[in-house]
Amino acid sequence: KAGVTQTPRYLIKTRGQQVTLSCSPISGHRSVSWYQQTPGQGLQFLFEYFSETQRNKGNFPGRFSGRQFSNSRSEMNVSTLELGDSALYLCASSLQGQLSEQYFGPGTRLTVT
Amino acid sequence: QQQVKQSPQSLIVQKGGIPIINCAYENTAFDYFPWYQQFPGKGPALLIAIRPDVSEKKEGRFTISFNKSAKQFSLHIMDSQPGDSATYFCAASMGYSGGGADGLTFGKGTHLIIQP
Repeated sequence: KAGVTQTPRYLIKTRGQQVTLSCSPISGHRSVSWYQQTPGQGLQFLFEYFSETQRNKGNFPGRFSGRQFSNSRSEMNVSTLELGDSALYLCASSLQGQLSEQYFGPGTRLTVT
Repeated sequence: QQQVKQSPQSLIVQKGGIPIINCAYENTAFDYFPWYQQFPGKGPALLIAIRPDVSEKKEGRFTISFNKSAKQFSLHIMDSQPGDSATYFCAASMGYSGGGADGLTFGKGTHLIIQP
């Protein structure tokens, strides 16, 4: 069974721009969670989607948003990029969300200049 | 505050030794405690996880010890190999709490080096 895939793998954007990242979960998994990983803050939970609905949200500003499609694929969007948004953005999929094991994709490395 | 404190930050062990990584949590509502292994350029990979009704769980060379009263849990790697060199993260979540779960709360990570 194929794992979690994320596109693109690398991205360079300019401050003030917006960006959209994509995640395809493991087949049959209905929950997708997003995390931000930085050297200083470590891994931090952004939000979780289950059956196209945002079920949980971490402590991030409204510039960070996401959505999930009927096929469980998910996108996250960051608007008005700031230098501090440079990070590895990880997507994790699971069968039921927080009630079951989460499997991570390879991440998208976003650099904001 | 929902924190998970992980130690040590880095660890060097000789091949065949038993590295031990410790984590402590504050929120007694946490009821799911996974460990992840991450290699450079890769996403975290789930290693092993434990629920609070069990004090120990083994999977291959990896063992989790859980002390509910102390709110601590640890990862032991038996017969460690150079290929185990990676960053290890502990995490916690309210896995069984239904609505209101806040995702996985991660420790800051332990950079483990197994010397040949």
